[in-house]
Amino acid sequence: GAGVSQSPSNKVTEKGKDVELRCDPISGHTALYWYRQSLGQGLEFLIYFQGNSAPDKSGLPSDRFSAERTGGSVSTLTIQRTQQEDSAVYLCASSLGSGGHEQYFGPGTRLTVT
Amino acid sequence: AQSVTQLDSQVPVFEEAPVELRCNYSSSVSVYLFWYVQYPNQGLQLLLKYLSGSTLVESINGFEAEFNKSQTSFHLRKPSVHISDTAEYFCAVTPLYNTDKLIFGTGTRLQVFP
Repeated sequence: GAGVSQSPSNKVTEKGKDVELRCDPISGHTALYWYRQSLGQGLEFLIYFQGNSAPDKSGLPSDRFSAERTGGSVSTLTIQRTQQEDSAVYLCASSLGSGGHEQYFGPGTRLTVT
Repeated sequence: AQSVTQLDSQVPVFEEAPVELRCNYSSSVSVYLFWYVQYPNQGLQLLLKYLSGSTLVESINGFEAEFNKSQTSFHLRKPSVHISDTAEYFCAVTPLYNTDKLIFGTGTRLQVFP
């Protein structure tokens, strides 16, 4: 079946612009995660959605970052007034839930802020 | 809070040689442990995981990892590597009380030479 998909695969934007990154999780997966992969810094947790519960936003680095998940499926990560330090690969993952279930990752969106 | 340390950022090795990728973690509570692999130009994939039971876990492609609670380690090993094992390997943990997010190490790039 289809895996996690993300769009766009690459995004180049000017400093100060807003960007939206999209994630389509695997059908039936109730949990959805956003991570950021910066050069030399591994993967950093950003936000987590589980069903209809309030999202865990504890990893968002600033109030310029926000995310929503519509209808328990597609998610959009929005970065407002982008800065150069926001340049990274943004990864989305989904799983059947918490409790050690495998997280399936999408291919990522490479964001470059010039 | 939890943290993961992967001391080796790069590990070069010749084909058919053994390899060990080190992972140590810090946590005041019990954790689940994972190894994820990222092949060139591909997304992250789960390689193996330890949730409970036998402390030695194996993957389908010959890797194994052993959970050592006293040393807080989860090193990844393979007795004989192939060129196709060239990839970035990430160790990750999640605390049992909150399995909603993975805490990743910075990754180890395994480069297998012919």
